Amino acid sequence: EMQLVESGGALVQPGGSLRLSCAASGFTFSNYAMHWVRQAPGKGLEYVSTISSNGGSTFYASSVKGRFTISRDNSRNTLYLQMGSLRVEDMAVYYCARDGAYCGGDCYSESALFDDWGQGTLVTVSS
Amino acid sequence: QSVLTQPPSASGTPGQKVTISCSGSNSNIGSNTVNWYQQLPGTAPIVLIYSNNQRPSGVPDRFSASKSGTSASLAISGLQSEDEADYYCAAWDASLNGVLFGGGTKVTVL
Repeated sequence: EMQLVESGGALVQPGGSLRLSCAASGFTFSNYAMHWVRQAPGKGLEYVSTISSNGGSTFYASSVKGRFTISRDNSRNTLYLQMGSLRVEDMAVYYCARDGAYCGGDCYSESALFDDWGQGTLVTVSS
Repeated sequence: QSVLTQPPSASGTPGQKVTISCSGSNSNIGSNTVNWYQQLPGTAPIVLIYSNNQRPSGVPDRFSASKSGTSASLAISGLQSEDEADYYCAAWDASLNGVLFGGGTKVTVL
């Protein structure tokens, strides 16, 4: 059974940094692009970032570009999100999600299909 | 970040049909497939519809969707109490080089 488990969420002060992790199991991690999606308290879903299956391509929402860095370690089946210069508006539950398209090589799809999600990890930004 | 436009709420009585719209532009819905996600209270979202109108296995055929031009819609027929949830449309945006979500529609079963 495939599983995505996020960790690393915490309380951090504005301007601080945090690294989120997403441990994947039950599927061949290196054959799928991966994504981060967040949800502020009481708000809707917001796309954060995408990384291709081997990490060669990355994409970011304009709201986090230059402050967040997505990466992956296929040998550890783990996805990361390095968050810097955190703002109050970054406070949210952060979900990792698997892309819906299986691929070989270094690829990603432009399908916006997230076929499995983790349970999320809460990032609180407050002084 | 722009969003795809959805009505914030929709409601119906058990057995009724509810339709949710999702409006975008040529750079997203107009040129890419639309997916729909259901988020039950306190849980992570799940895929409800993919590739405009395809249901994953396990999703009841009460759920259907369509796309035309720069708009898409999700229909729930034979509304049931367990359908109370938030529903989101999503599509890749070629101009932004990333995914856009709709603002979400909260469906209430009266």
